[in-house]
Amino acid sequence: KNEVEQSPQNLTAQEGEFITINCSYSVGISALHWLQQHPGGGIVSLFMLSSGKKKHGRLIATINIQEKHSSLHITASHPRDSAVYICAVDEAQKLVFGQGTRLTINP
Amino acid sequence: EAGVVQSPRYKIIEKKQPVAFWCNPISGHNTLYWYLQNLGQGPELLIRYENEEAVDDSQLPKDRFSAERLKGVDSTLKIQPAELGDSAVYLCASSLRGSSYNEQFFGPGTRLTVL
Repeated sequence: KNEVEQSPQNLTAQEGEFITINCSYSVGISALHWLQQHPGGGIVSLFMLSSGKKKHGRLIATINIQEKHSSLHITASHPRDSAVYICAVDEAQKLVFGQGTRLTINP
Repeated sequence: EAGVVQSPRYKIIEKKQPVAFWCNPISGHNTLYWYLQNLGQGPELLIRYENEEAVDDSQLPKDRFSAERLKGVDSTLKIQPAELGDSAVYLCASSLRGSSYNEQFFGPGTRLTVL
């Protein structure tokens, strides 16, 4: 079993829909990261959080330390949000990555 | 400020040939990471440097992979000889050790195709 599990693996939605991507982990962590990767592009950090909730524009990330679970939400989704979203946990100065969720937003 | 720079962006070689990738981290970042990313998967750590010291290379296949960071700044990852299964994206990242959390900044990656 992977230490970091994301769901769903693939998600297709229509423009404007509310999107939720989930991440569960099995190890003790100091922080959790949500990252975005566009096709052919590098990885960009979206959020780094250790508790509660963070918001940046249309993106919201939450984490529940007791349940070892985090969610990434996108409100009013847009085709430019199409990318792979990766959850990673910070375990003793080492990032352990989930397999990613491929999001496709259709116009 | 320039981000993490990697070169080349793309490389196609035949199996059994050597290949090298180069990474220049963000100025002042003393921690450097090399990751391997297979298609449809998340990155997997190959090696982590603190300055010029490799502090975690447990996942580096040392029979064919080598890395160096001689002056604690830029780094080179080498594969010799390359195998078909080495086709992947090789990502470099850097971070500033001592910051509250381990925020890493990633380069664009080198996409390697072994024929």
